[in-house]
Amino acid sequence: RKEVEQDPGPFNVPEGATVAFNCTYSNSASQSFFWYRQDCRKEPKLLMSVYSSGNEDGRFTAQLNRASQYISLLIRDSKLSDSATYLCVVIPNTGGFKTIFGAGTRLFVKA
Amino acid sequence: NAGVTQTPKFRVLKTGQSMTLLCAQDMNHEYMYWYRQDPGMGLRLIHYSVGEGTTAKGEVPDGYNVSRLKKQNFLLGLESAAPSQTSVYFCASSYGEFNQPQHFGDGTRLSIL
Repeated sequence: RKEVEQDPGPFNVPEGATVAFNCTYSNSASQSFFWYRQDCRKEPKLLMSVYSSGNEDGRFTAQLNRASQYISLLIRDSKLSDSATYLCVVIPNTGGFKTIFGAGTRLFVKA
Repeated sequence: NAGVTQTPKFRVLKTGQSMTLLCAQDMNHEYMYWYRQDPGMGLRLIHYSVGEGTTAKGEVPDGYNVSRLKKQNFLLGLESAAPSQTSVYFCASSYGEFNQPQHFGDGTRLSIL
């Protein structure tokens, strides 16, 4: 089992739709979590951190489920500009450097 | 408002040639990283540094060397380029590891013929 797994997609949704992505992780000692967005042929950019209690930033909501070991990203009222690849990042608290990037989920929002 | 700057942006090399990729950050970050990204593979860590004068191996270090002589710079060297090193290379930096997001440069597209 990979340490961090994401559904590669692609997810094809119409404008205005709500879409959710999950990211599962295998190390129960994981401590820090982030979602990044990467546009085609561009660098990854931080979208939001993921906090234990869940957090929201405009149309984006991130949640953490430690019992089932996954994080999620919910996008409401999708825009064409949301089309991108979404990467999850998991950092275990196991000593040494262990930041792990997921391979990403591709999202296409269509008019 | 530079953040993380990578040079060059594009490069084509012949097999066996050497080159150095430069990464510079102006955020006073302690940690710096070099990743490569290949289609379908996601980001893979090559080397990283937790402070000036320190370096450590990541997931895929073979064929690469790094140096961190100054806090703001992190250099990635290819001593003898191979076609398998054709990739997009990203540099990133952060204040630390836990709870600290990484900030990326805009990448170097490297082709080895």
